[in-house]
Amino acid sequence: GENVEQHPSTLSVQEGDSAVIKCTYSDSASNYFPWYKQELGKGPQLIIDIRSNVGEKKDQRIAVTLNKTAKHFSLHITETQPEDSAVYFCAAEDNNDMRFGAGTRLTVKP
Amino acid sequence: DAGVIQSPRHEVTEMGQEVTLRCKPISGHDYLFWYRQTMMRGLELLIYFNNNVPIDDSGMPEDRFSAKMPNASFSTLKIQPSEPRDSAVYFCAIRRARNTGELFFGEGSRLTVL
Repeated sequence: GENVEQHPSTLSVQEGDSAVIKCTYSDSASNYFPWYKQELGKGPQLIIDIRSNVGEKKDQRIAVTLNKTAKHFSLHITETQPEDSAVYFCAAEDNNDMRFGAGTRLTVKP
Repeated sequence: DAGVIQSPRHEVTEMGQEVTLRCKPISGHDYLFWYRQTMMRGLELLIYFNNNVPIDDSGMPEDRFSAKMPNASFSTLKIQPSEPRDSAVYFCAIRRARNTGELFFGEGSRLTVL
């Protein structure tokens, strides 16, 4: 089955700096790669996703890149703000079997 | 807006008791998922339904766990008997159709088994 590794487990940045979170996956059949943000006491919420036929996608301050050959994908947040502080999860999916990474706790210091 | 209502939000029970967690989708969907979240194991898929039919329950840890979806507006996850290692946050999530991608999660049910 799919195995998703996520790094780092914790990340602390100064407001305005960039944050990068990286994930690798094992199953070459995976074709959908979402990123979720989870705030304290809430369920995960989708922030951006990418499909296997695309190498990069951007939405305002958030971007995701995918390297299918190397089986890794990354989340980039620019101009970080304190409200970006949360736990971020990557995931890889094939046919409704979505596997999540262990999560990255991002802290943005004002 | 897509959404899911879960109840109870918090439950504390004693080992051996039956626990029933509830999920009520409040928008159209084709798929419903139950996930469990713990510090040690992260987010794990337990089971999912397509049009109210269970499709894959390979993530259900033991026979003590069962899930039902009697109609499109309601699903339950039952643990009988409960054990301390079942303590976790249980999430219900919906997806509109197979290829749209996004999962809409509820706010979760935090279960503590003493």
